[in-house]
Amino acid sequence: EAQVTQNPRYLITVTGKKLTVTCSQNMNHEYMSWYRQDPGLGLRQIYYSMNVEVTDKGDVPEGYKVSRKEKRNFPLILESPSPNQTSLYFCASSIRAAIRGEYNEQFFGPGTRLTVL
Amino acid sequence: SQQGEEDPQALSIQEGENATMNCSYKTSINNLQWYRQNSGRGLVHLILIRSNEREKHSGRLRVTLDTSKKSSSLLITASRAADTASYFCATDGNSGAGSYQLTFGKGTKLSVIP
Repeated sequence: EAQVTQNPRYLITVTGKKLTVTCSQNMNHEYMSWYRQDPGLGLRQIYYSMNVEVTDKGDVPEGYKVSRKEKRNFPLILESPSPNQTSLYFCASSIRAAIRGEYNEQFFGPGTRLTVL
Repeated sequence: SQQGEEDPQALSIQEGENATMNCSYKTSINNLQWYRQNSGRGLVHLILIRSNEREKHSGRLRVTLDTSKKSSSLLITASRAADTASYFCATDGNSGAGSYQLTFGKGTKLSVIP
């Protein structure tokens, strides 16, 4: 089944304890992205990757790192989590980054609910 | 930065009624997409409309686009309780790297009462 998976689905941690949220897709998609969703703010893009070894900042990258060593995986790393990073995180992928005139549906993972105490 | 803004923020209707949600955006786009999100779940793509299209249908969904007003509407006809979800519009915007990133609005929370 074509899908985007995220792990863990739920995580409670403490300030400063490094964590990684994994994201994996089995659709051979080039483009992957991380979003955070907060009440009243909608989805905001954290980082995205247009292909292996190509990553770039989204709208809210502070406090996050990513890597794209393989096409299927795009982990999100919080080196020193803080309470303001408590949020619902979504990973998404599409066949490739859209260029002018193209249409690329994004496929979303089930979400990771992170609480930083 | 936020591009699409949905209106209303929340909508409650009776089953069988039609639901209309609106989205406004600020800059020129190539296409506009609508996504649905069930509570706490990932978003699911519903429909796309290109900038040179004015109306598109898919089942009980009807999307319109008015590029002169920079707005779009999503109409769900004959609503069902299972349509209860949040609905987001997403617009593409130039990332400055030759590719276009999707920017999501804050969403409309639709409740369909049986």
